[in-house]
This record gives sequence, C-alpha cells and structure tokens, in this order.
Amino acid sequence: AQKITQTQPGMFVQEKEAVTLDCTYDTSDPSYGLFWYKQPSSGEMIFLIYQGSYDQQNATEGRYSLNFQKARKSANLVISASQLGDSAMYFCAMNILNRDDKIIFGKGTRLHILP
Amino acid sequence: DADVTQTPRNRITKTGKRIMLECSQTKGHDRMYWYRQDPGLGLRLIYYSFDVKDINKGEISDGYSVSRQAQAKFSLSLESAIPNQTALYFCATSESGSAGELFFGEGSRLTVL
Repeated sequence: AQKITQTQPGMFVQEKEAVTLDCTYDTSDPSYGLFWYKQPSSGEMIFLIYQGSYDQQNATEGRYSLNFQKARKSANLVISASQLGDSAMYFCAMNILNRDDKIIFGKGTRLHILP
Repeated sequence: DADVTQTPRNRITKTGKRIMLECSQTKGHDRMYWYRQDPGLGLRLIYYSFDVKDINKGEISDGYSVSRQAQAKFSLSLESAIPNQTALYFCATSESGSAGELFFGEGSRLTVL
C-alpha cells in the first residue's frame, strides 16, 4: 500500500530564506504522481505543484520547486525567498496512476515565517 | 460561486444523530472524494467515486456511508454520529485521465457533542 511520510510537524524560518519541507513516500508501483498542497489559516486547500514518477526534470512553479529523488523516494518541496504569506500548513500527497488513482496525504508540516 | 460547494459549512450535533454533508460541483469532473482532517493526522480518505456507479472505500470508511446521486453530487452520511467524528470534512473533485490534481470545497466543520 502507498504511504506518505512528513517528519516535520512544524518549522520556523526567517523571511526571505529558502525553505525545504520534507516528504518521503512508499510504493512498489512504478507509475505514480506526487503533489503538494498549501492550507493557510483560512482553511482552504491550494494546489501548489505536481511531479510524475516518469518526469525527467524536477517540477517548478514560480517560487516552488519539487526536489524529486526517485531512488530515495523523496519529494521535498522547496520554497525560495520565503514570504510572510507562506505561513501555512503544507501537505504532501500521492496517487498511483492508472490503478486506483486515489490520492492519499501525509500528516502535514506547519510552516511559520518569521519577520 | 465556488466550483465545489459543501453544505453545511458548520454543524453542531449530538451523539447518535444522523448527519448528511452534501457536496456539489460545477467543474464537470467524474471523480469525487470525501476526506476528513484532524489536527496532527492530515487528510484521510473516507470514500471516493469515479463515476455515478462506482463507489470505493478509503482509509477510514467505518461509520460513514456515501451516495453519488449524480455526476455533480456526492453526499456523505454519518448514520449515528459519535464524538470522535468531530472533524473538518472536505469534498474534492478531479478530472479523469489527468494527473489527478484535486479541487477542494471550502470544508464542513462538524462537531459531535
């Protein structure tokens, strides 16, 4: 069965510094997708970035990049030049493609950006 | 209007009561999901449906049931609510054949006394 692990319950980072949020996953299936979502204090879930298991390059979306290390089964989110508005809960998620396709989530990391 | 709408947004109820949370979407997606969020536990999948005739149990389906009344509607029921079902519930949709990005509703906060 697939599993997502986020080992950092909380992090404090100074504004303008880069942030790395850890995510490891477990699956024996070769075809899968990895996602990151942001949940601000207002509660809504915001999609940030996606990486397919066959994608050759790491995904990037603006200040977000996904550091995909397939052999290590890690999919860390990197936020460059952090801003106060990045303070939120961040969830890593994955699905197994073309099988059950359900998306499961990790427990999340709460990120605090300090002024 | 939101693409994925959940009702009610907040509900307080008593142990043993039957509760229904409703979800409707205007995105035209085939796939719909119900998750619950608890502090420290992230989002856990309750049920999911890939079309009107396809319903699947997720990680934590015990104590819940669902109904997919139409492509656009997916309801979650708690037949006899208990206090440990107090949580924030999210409905989400995704498009078949896509990478699977989820589009979430705004959440329904349920408190069971």
